[in-house]
Amino acid sequence: KAGVTQTPRYLIKTRGQQVTLSCSPISGHRSVSWYQQTPGQGLQFLFEYFSETQRNKGNFPGRFSGRQFSNSRSEMNVSTLELGDSALYLCASSLLRDRGSEQYFGPGTRLTVT
Amino acid sequence: GENVEQHPSTLSVQEGDSAVIKCTYSDSASNYFPWYKQELGKRPQLIIDIRSNVGEKKDQRIAVTLNKTAKHFSLHITETQPEDSAVYFCAASKGNAGNMLTFGGGTRLMVKP
Repeated sequence: KAGVTQTPRYLIKTRGQQVTLSCSPISGHRSVSWYQQTPGQGLQFLFEYFSETQRNKGNFPGRFSGRQFSNSRSEMNVSTLELGDSALYLCASSLLRDRGSEQYFGPGTRLTVT
Repeated sequence: GENVEQHPSTLSVQEGDSAVIKCTYSDSASNYFPWYKQELGKRPQLIIDIRSNVGEKKDQRIAVTLNKTAKHFSLHITETQPEDSAVYFCAASKGNAGNMLTFGGGTRLMVKP
């Protein structure tokens, strides 16, 4: 099976702009989670979607939002970009909804905000 | 919420030696504990995991142990090789809360040939 894919892989944006990142999970996986990775804060959970419903949300401002489509592909959006939003954004897909199932990460989208 | 602490932050060993990385968690409801390896510029890769109903799990040179009473779990790598050099992350999750993972701060493991 193909792994988790993310597009674009690299992105440069200016403060105040907005950005949309895309994630395609492993075929058959219906749970998609998003994480932000920075040198200072490490890996932090953003949100999780299962069957087009947001199940959990991390401690991030409302500028961060996401959605999931019927084919399980997911997008996350960051509006009014700030310099501190520069990070590697990773998505992970899981087969199961509960029971803490194995999560497989995509290669990430590296976002640079100037 | 859950808090996961990981130590050491850096670990240097000689090739062939063993390496141990330790994590503690705060929420006794956590029941799933994966470990990820992230090489430079690459995605985190799941290397082993353990659930709260198991005390130890092994996969070749890698093993994980879990002490629910003390709320800590450890990764053991034996016969280390240079290709084991990477950043390792522990994480914790409560299965009934979906798949949200809380990660430790990471350990940079350097294996010297």
